[in-house]
Amino acid sequence: AQSVTQLDSQVPVFEEAPVELRCNYSSSVSVYLFWYVQYPNQGLQLLLKYLSGSTLVKGINGFEAEFNKSQTSFHLRKPSVHISDTAEYFCAVSRAQGAQKLVFGQGTRLTINP
Amino acid sequence: NAGVTQTPKFQVLKTGQSMTLQCAQDMNHEYMSWYRQDPGMGLRLIHYSVGAGITDQGEVPNGYNVSRSTTEDFPLRLLSAAPSQTSVYFCASSEPGAERGTQYFGPGTRLTVL
Repeated sequence: AQSVTQLDSQVPVFEEAPVELRCNYSSSVSVYLFWYVQYPNQGLQLLLKYLSGSTLVKGINGFEAEFNKSQTSFHLRKPSVHISDTAEYFCAVSRAQGAQKLVFGQGTRLTINP
Repeated sequence: NAGVTQTPKFQVLKTGQSMTLQCAQDMNHEYMSWYRQDPGMGLRLIHYSVGAGITDQGEVPNGYNVSRSTTEDFPLRLLSAAPSQTSVYFCASSEPGAERGTQYFGPGTRLTVL
């Protein structure tokens, strides 16, 4: 079975500062990795995903993440955040083979302060 | 394309009542799933379907039933609502093949059980 741990439940950051949201996963098989964003009172939207190939993945809104197999991590980064990035961010994992079941982390609430 | 639609947006039930949460997608996706979101717990998979006529249990299936008679629709039934089922429910669908794992989420249904 797969599991995901998001190491920070809340991250406050000043506008235009860099941010890193941490995600570690556990799995005995090959996995796909995802970051989703949830804006207030909305559904989830895909930010980026790692399926294979380059370990540095770029997504929407200037976010990127790096897959580190040896450390079983998939941290999300942005060099300069904006007020509009205030949201909850979810890391998720699925098996690379078989059913497309997603296992989510607990979420990280990112708050951008002016 | 409307994407993934869910009805109703809000619902209040009394303990013991039954109801059906509706989910529909117009993207011809084979895979559909239901999640519940609770504070501090991320999203947890309730049931999923890999195609019409095929359903299976996820992480937290107790108290919920599903069926998949068409590709488009995947309703979730609460047989006898309990306060522990107070949550936000999300339906999602995804594509097969190279884009597998990119799940598209509906806007959610906020359910309160009194």
